[in-house]
Amino acid sequence: EIVFTQSPTTMTASPGEKVTITCRASSSVSYMHWYQQKPGASPKPWIYETSKLASGVPDRFSGSGSGTSYSLTINNMEAEDAATYYCQQWNYPKYTFGAGTKLELK
Amino acid sequence: EVQLQQSGAELRKPGTSVKLSCKVSGYNFRNTYMHWVNQRPGKGLEWIGRIDPANGNTIYVEKFKSKATLTADTSSNTAYMQLSQLKSDDTAIYFCAMQSGSFFDYWGQGVMVTVSS
Repeated sequence: EIVFTQSPTTMTASPGEKVTITCRASSSVSYMHWYQQKPGASPKPWIYETSKLASGVPDRFSGSGSGTSYSLTINNMEAEDAATYYCQQWNYPKYTFGAGTKLELK
Repeated sequence: EVQLQQSGAELRKPGTSVKLSCKVSGYNFRNTYMHWVNQRPGKGLEWIGRIDPANGNTIYVEKFKSKATLTADTSSNTAYMQLSQLKSDDTAIYFCAMQSGSFFDYWGQGVMVTVSS
């Protein structure tokens, strides 16, 4: 069974700051999806297949990675980016979410 | 516009069961996988399982195999999840999510299930 470790668990960032969230897998995986969730709301698809931005996602977001290490990056943090971000991957026979990274505005 | 409309909040006593619904509109229901995900209070997302509405095939994560039963009605474009033998630990928000490609591209609004005596 592949285990995903997401880091950091929580972080704060100032407006304009660069933010990187990492998801590491215990074995190599072929891609990673990312979801954004704000309090009281459903998760939203954010980045899919490692680097593709979902509809409506600002281009200050990017995704990268391969093998066992994947990341979500925000260039120029904005207030609206404060949320919890989850990585997700399909590894038969199940989907697995990372534990989440809570990103707060400083 | 694709929409997933979930049924309303539920309050159940321990040992009982509950059946949640998720109605899909704006997309060909047969061409999806429908997933269920839970989120316990203050915790992260946990995948429960999925159903292929076209043929009824299901996959469950091991810990939910005896807890959750997924079904789908293609005549009404509705996915269902029944949770049985409810315990306080089953108190959570339950989301349905639709997969048309490789990821969960649409989500329901979530339904709060509270298990309390």
